[in-house]
Amino acid sequence: AAGVIQSPRHLIKEKRETATLKCYPIPRHDTVYWYQQGPGQDPQFLISFYEKMQSDKGSIPDRFSAQQFSDYHSELNMSSLELGDSALYFCASSLFRGDEKLFFGSGTQLSVL
Amino acid sequence: GESVGLHLPTLSVQEGDNSIINCAYSNSASDYFIWYKQESGKGPQFIIDIRSNMDKRQGQRVTVLLNKTVKHLSLQIAATQPGDSAVYFCAEREEAYSGAGSYQLTFGKGTKLSVIP
Repeated sequence: AAGVIQSPRHLIKEKRETATLKCYPIPRHDTVYWYQQGPGQDPQFLISFYEKMQSDKGSIPDRFSAQQFSDYHSELNMSSLELGDSALYFCASSLFRGDEKLFFGSGTQLSVL
Repeated sequence: GESVGLHLPTLSVQEGDNSIINCAYSNSASDYFIWYKQESGKGPQFIIDIRSNMDKRQGQRVTVLLNKTVKHLSLQIAATQPGDSAVYFCAEREEAYSGAGSYQLTFGKGTKLSVIP
């Protein structure tokens, strides 16, 4: 069965650079969630999209932005990267906005040097 | 044994024994709870869920218990196997009746389960 696809798998950037993370939800899933997980930490909700519109906003820094496109894939754009942004970034999708079952991708490991 | 601090709480069990992983949640308005398993380098994987109108739910080798009085959730794994070694997270969801609604999950602190062969 198709799963949530995230790219790239690993990303190394320097401070003050920008990064773009991509997420391709499971086919027919219209809701996408982004989570950030620091080393040894629990995943923290950043933002979610439903039908290409922002649905909920969590602890996403102003330096980050995200959007969902017409094919339902989503991109997380991160600017002015800081050392503290180094983390595992997960994307999850659900069949519809109220569906509690989230399916997670394998994540993008971002390292900021 | 368990250790806390900068590291995740760890639970070590012998293969074949039962495991019990505990979770305290904070929001009394949460109405839905999920347990996720996260293996190294992978995303969280759904294990089992329970709604607030239930106090027990069983799956294959796993049971989730919910005690709303003390806001406590537990995951029991029967006959623990080496493949069960992972970090386990509980997550809670509150449906905020704000019109737009709020569907994000709030994850609790994970517990690392190590199975000793």
